[in-house]
Amino acid sequence: EDKVVQSPLSLVVHEGDTVTLNCSYEVTNFRSLLWYKQEKKAPTFLFMLTSSGIEKKSGRLSSILDKKELFSILNITATQTGDSAIYLCAVEGAGGSYIPTFGRGTSLIVHP
Amino acid sequence: NAGVTQTPKFQVLKTGQSMTLQCAQDMNHNSMYWYRQDPGMGLRLIYYSASEGTTDKGEVPNGYNVSRLNKREFSLRLESAAPSQTSVYFCASSASAGGAPQETQYFGPGTRLLVL
Repeated sequence: EDKVVQSPLSLVVHEGDTVTLNCSYEVTNFRSLLWYKQEKKAPTFLFMLTSSGIEKKSGRLSSILDKKELFSILNITATQTGDSAIYLCAVEGAGGSYIPTFGRGTSLIVHP
Repeated sequence: NAGVTQTPKFQVLKTGQSMTLQCAQDMNHNSMYWYRQDPGMGLRLIYYSASEGTTDKGEVPNGYNVSRLNKREFSLRLESAAPSQTSVYFCASSASAGGAPQETQYFGPGTRLLVL
């Protein structure tokens, strides 16, 4: 059974802080790892990672995958109140299908 | 493009009542999914449809049925609602069919369901 574990489950910081969110996984025949941001409604896509060691970057957000150690991190620098959200990690494997397995999410609150 | 749309946005049911949650996508995607999200539990897959004409169970299918009406529409039915089905339900779609390289999923705005 595929498994995705995110940590921490919740995080409270002040504007300007840098945060690191973690996602570790166990999956049959890893295909890709995805990060989503969920504000009040639907999750929205941030990054897809398929190769080890290659950083994906979008503004203040960046993510990297370590396929040997089976984890990914999502970094947010110079946090803003608009970064407050639940961040979801999902992993796609080939244990019978390529349906992503989601972690429980990290709830990030950024105070002004 | 509207993307993925869901109706209704909010629903209150009594135990034992039935209802159907509707989902439609206008992106010509092959695959569609139904998830439920409970506090602290992330997204759990109820059912998915890898392509038109096929449906498969996910992690938590009990108490639900689905219909892939056509390529655009994927509905979720609760035949006899129970309080344990109180949750937020998300529909999602993605381009690829089962076995092909997956792409990102696009999510609908969600349906908040309360079962009394």
